[in-house]
Amino acid sequence: DIVMTQTPLSSPVTLGQPASISCRSSQSLVHSDGNTYLSWLQQRPGQPPRLLIYKISNRFSGVPDRFSGSGAGTDFTLKISRVEPEDVGVYYCMQATQFPWTFGQGTKVEIK
Amino acid sequence: EVQLVESGGGLVQPGGSLKLSCAASGFTFSGSPMHWVRQASGKGLEWVGRIRTKTNSYATLYAASVKGRFTISRDDSKNTAYLQMNSLKTEDTAVYYCTRLWGENNAFDIWGQGTMVTVSS
Repeated sequence: DIVMTQTPLSSPVTLGQPASISCRSSQSLVHSDGNTYLSWLQQRPGQPPRLLIYKISNRFSGVPDRFSGSGAGTDFTLKISRVEPEDVGVYYCMQATQFPWTFGQGTKVEIK
Repeated sequence: EVQLVESGGGLVQPGGSLKLSCAASGFTFSGSPMHWVRQASGKGLEWVGRIRTKTNSYATLYAASVKGRFTISRDDSKNTAYLQMNSLKTEDTAVYYCTRLWGENNAFDIWGQGTMVTVSS
């Protein structure tokens, strides 16, 4: 199974300041079709997960442009340019390149 | 409105069975691969399994932790997916989410609110 490792596991951030989350996979996420199926999900307290980013860097419909994704191969990053109060929650990276699909442990973003 | 609504959760004894339902609306269910993901309290997300569409012979695939015990099915006439859980263990206690796969992007774009399953004596 592909292991997804996120760092940090907790990220206290000042409102209006940037936040960055790293996600590393135990093997390349490049699919045989040439795509890299790495997505980022946000889970606000008491809510189901919500898709933010798909295929490394594509923002899903309705996602604010302060969220951005980057990376390649085995190393990926989610950045929030200016943290807003509604960004509090847990963020997960997920690989859908190889079954079983796997998630990172989650990174908790909280306000200082 | 696009939505998924899970139901059927509850308290069950170890070794027991439970069947979850996931009712879809607002999108073309029959053309959508459906997955189940679970989350133990205070823990991360775990992929459980998936069912493809009729075009792909309703093929199913499961996580090793549930293979042989859980069965995913669907009824496209009712816009509903199911998760039949047998031989339940205490470690199956979790919130179970159904989610739609946005096929061309291999991403979960629609999530239900989840249904709680507690396995305890």
